[in-house]
Amino acid sequence: GENVEQHPSTLSVQEGDSAVIKCTYSDSASNYFPWYKQELGKGPQLIIDIRSNVGEKKDQRIAVTLNKTAKHFSLHITETQPEDSAVYFCAVRMIGNEKLTFGTGTRLTIIP
Amino acid sequence: GAGVSQTPSNKVTEKGKYVELRCDPISGHTALYWYRQSLGQGPEFLIYFQGTGAADDSGLPNDRFFAVRPEGSVSTLKIQRTERGDSAVYLCASSPGTSGPRQFFGPGTRLTVL
Repeated sequence: GENVEQHPSTLSVQEGDSAVIKCTYSDSASNYFPWYKQELGKGPQLIIDIRSNVGEKKDQRIAVTLNKTAKHFSLHITETQPEDSAVYFCAVRMIGNEKLTFGTGTRLTIIP
Repeated sequence: GAGVSQTPSNKVTEKGKYVELRCDPISGHTALYWYRQSLGQGPEFLIYFQGTGAADDSGLPNDRFFAVRPEGSVSTLKIQRTERGDSAVYLCASSPGTSGPRQFFGPGTRLTVL
């Protein structure tokens, strides 16, 4: 089955600086890569996603890059704000399979 | 409602008891998913419905777990003879199905088995 590794497990960033979280996956048949933000006591919230036919996607302060050859993708958050503090999860979906396989999460703390 | 809703938000039960967890998906979403999230971990897939049928139940850990979606909308996850290891947050997600892969999650039900 698919294996997803996520790094780092914790990340502290000064407010206004950038944060980068990276995930690697094992199955080259994977074709969909979403990122979720989870605040304490809440369900995961989809913040950005990318498909395998695209190398980069940006939405305001958030961007995702995908390297299919190396089988890794990254979340980039610029101009971080205190409300960006949360746990972030990457996920992967394989072709022909509807389930998402999640990484282990990154706890991001923005230091005011 | 605008999003996925789940009830109850919290459920405390005793070992050996039966529990039912309910999920109301986003209106019009044909696909529905159940995941389980243990403390400090990412969600783990349990089962996926397309319409009324369970299209993939490969994530159900054993035969104590069962889920239904009789009318293609609301779904119920049923756990028999609960064990302490079943304690987790049970998350439901829905998606438009064939018109898009995005899955939208509900707030979850926190199940505690004493």
